[in-house]
Amino acid sequence: DQQVKQNSPSLSVQEGRISILNCDYTNSMFDYFLWYKKYPAEGPTFLISISSIKDKNEDGRFTVFLNKSAKHLSLHIVPSQPGDSAVYFCAASPPLISNFGNEKLTFGTGTRLTIIP
Amino acid sequence: ETGVTQTPRHLVMGMTNKKSLKCEQHLGHNAMYWYKQSAKKPLELMFVYSLEERVENNSVPSRFSPECPNSSHLFLHLHTLQPEDSALYLCASSQDGVQPQHFGDGTRLSIL
Repeated sequence: DQQVKQNSPSLSVQEGRISILNCDYTNSMFDYFLWYKKYPAEGPTFLISISSIKDKNEDGRFTVFLNKSAKHLSLHIVPSQPGDSAVYFCAASPPLISNFGNEKLTFGTGTRLTIIP
Repeated sequence: ETGVTQTPRHLVMGMTNKKSLKCEQHLGHNAMYWYKQSAKKPLELMFVYSLEERVENNSVPSRFSPECPNSSHLFLHLHTLQPEDSALYLCASSQDGVQPQHFGDGTRLSIL
């Protein structure tokens, strides 16, 4: 059973418009959420994160929103640029309580974003 | 070099072969990870090493054998693999288990 779900395998957005990527999770123990971006033939690159004590985190064109009651997070990219075309992975981790074993990342299956020039 | 480097980038092997994947991180991190990404599936955590000691084995078959000789290097030794083991294998590192993890570009493994 997937604990982190990205229900849209693909999304196409016009350049300059807003891209909204969604992610749902089922495990209420998740405490920290991340978005990674992956280009073909490269490893995932960290993009932005949010702690469960916040409901919004912004970094330039990227904003992540967290709705804990709905167990839902979203990534907004505005304005979208051609270089944003990639696969975006949502990931979640439980609290880092003590020693290792608590920092496991659980990933979604990814959403392929295509920005149309 | 900076970041996390994985070699080889591509590997084709038969089911009876023995090979090793290598990962090296230049970030001064003390934790390293192996992930497997199969087609249309999420990244799956395989192993976690902290300060060169294995702290997590996520029910991985024994035909995968990790080795962490020091905090900068991580190996994944492969033997008698199955066709379903064909996947992208990603290495990552972090400091003290704190996110985010930094990933290498992966090894694309094909089992004939």
